[in-house]
Amino acid sequence: GAGVSQSPSNKVTEKGKDVELRCDPISGHTALYWYRQSLGQGLEFLIYFQGNSAPDKSGLPSDRFSAERTGGSVSTLTIQRTQQEDSAVYLCASSLMSGGSFYEQYFGPGTRLTVT
Amino acid sequence: GENVEQHPSTLSVQEGDSAVIKCTYSDSASNYFPWYKQELGKGPQLIIDIRSNVGEKKDQRIAVTLNKTAKHFSLHITETQPEDSAVYFCAASKSSASKIIFGSGTRLSIRP
Repeated sequence: GAGVSQSPSNKVTEKGKDVELRCDPISGHTALYWYRQSLGQGLEFLIYFQGNSAPDKSGLPSDRFSAERTGGSVSTLTIQRTQQEDSAVYLCASSLMSGGSFYEQYFGPGTRLTVT
Repeated sequence: GENVEQHPSTLSVQEGDSAVIKCTYSDSASNYFPWYKQELGKGPQLIIDIRSNVGEKKDQRIAVTLNKTAKHFSLHITETQPEDSAVYFCAASKSSASKIIFGSGTRLSIRP
């Protein structure tokens, strides 16, 4: 079946502009994660959605970052007033999560954001 | 807060030799430890995971060990092959309702 998809694959924007990044998780996956990966660096956790629970926003680096997940499926990560340090690959992942069990996170290909 | 440290950051081994990557975690409540492999231009992909109720798990050439007392866990790749070249990430999580924290990654290169 289809995996996690993200759009756009690449985004170049001018400093100060707002951007929206989209994630389509695997159908039926209740958990959705956003990560940021700077060049040659590890995965920095941003935000986590699990079912109807309040999202864990503890990783968002500033109030310019926000995310929502509509209808428990598609998610949008919004960065307002972009800065050059926001340039990175933004990765989305989804997983099943039920009965207190852990399931594999499936990652999308990422969106490469470049702020000029 | 929760933290996962990973070493080394880069590792080069001769084809056919073994590679070992080590991680430590800070939160003693962590009980799920996945390992991910990331190839160039792609998202990470799970290669093996271990839960806190076991000390070792093997899958063909890959094995993971967990020492809960020391809060250490390791990835062992035996008989390395060129296709093992990638960046490897360890991670830890403490509950099914909690985020997963990743290590900083190890770039593994296999020399022919």
